[in-house]
Amino acid sequence: GQNIDQPTEMTATEGAIVQINCTYQTSGFNGLFWYQQHAGEAPTFLSYNVLDGLEEKGRFSSFLSRSKGYSYLLLKELQMKDSASYLCAVRDSNYQLIWGAGTKLIIKP
Amino acid sequence: IAGITQAPTSQILAAGRRMTLRCTQDMRHNAMYWYRQDLGLGLRLIHYSNTAGTTGKGEVPDGYSVSRANTDDFPLTLASAVPSQTSVYFCASSDRTDSGANVLTFGAGSRLTVL
Repeated sequence: GQNIDQPTEMTATEGAIVQINCTYQTSGFNGLFWYQQHAGEAPTFLSYNVLDGLEEKGRFSSFLSRSKGYSYLLLKELQMKDSASYLCAVRDSNYQLIWGAGTKLIIKP
Repeated sequence: IAGITQAPTSQILAAGRRMTLRCTQDMRHNAMYWYRQDLGLGLRLIHYSNTAGTTGKGEVPDGYSVSRANTDDFPLTLASAVPSQTSVYFCASSDRTDSGANVLTFGAGSRLTVL
């Protein structure tokens, strides 16, 4: 079966750095996505990785290792507004997205 | 403002009733999707449409139907609602189906409670 694993919840301090991991087992691979979802709102796109390595976008970076079935989202200089759920999703060989359950990130002052 | 509009925002429904969730996009995206989101589970695809006039079944299609008469509209119908269909429903769209990032744009969601 296809599976995306990510921690259920993480806590971090304002101004610090946090790394949210995602491991996957899917039928084929055609890209990995990270979305942010604030409570009660729609998911919004953060990043896309299709090749191994690090993609940096401001305070957010996303890393991919296809051989290990592993990705992480790195958030730097955490702000209170970063409190949200972070969803990892993999596009499989049929170009359908398989979603993880999301990681709820709690930022404390 | 370009985006996706879903209606209703929230609805309480008696079991056995028929319900249609509406979804309209103004971005001229080819592909549209309906997901349900339940606590502790990832988004699950109910139905999708790669282009107007075509639809396909996702991971959890039973009890739901869709139509895609034009590019903009993609309604989701529950023919006879059951309590297990209590969920938050998200409509999404994208401009490509199988190349590039194919980023999804989501509507604000419809919270449905079936009693």
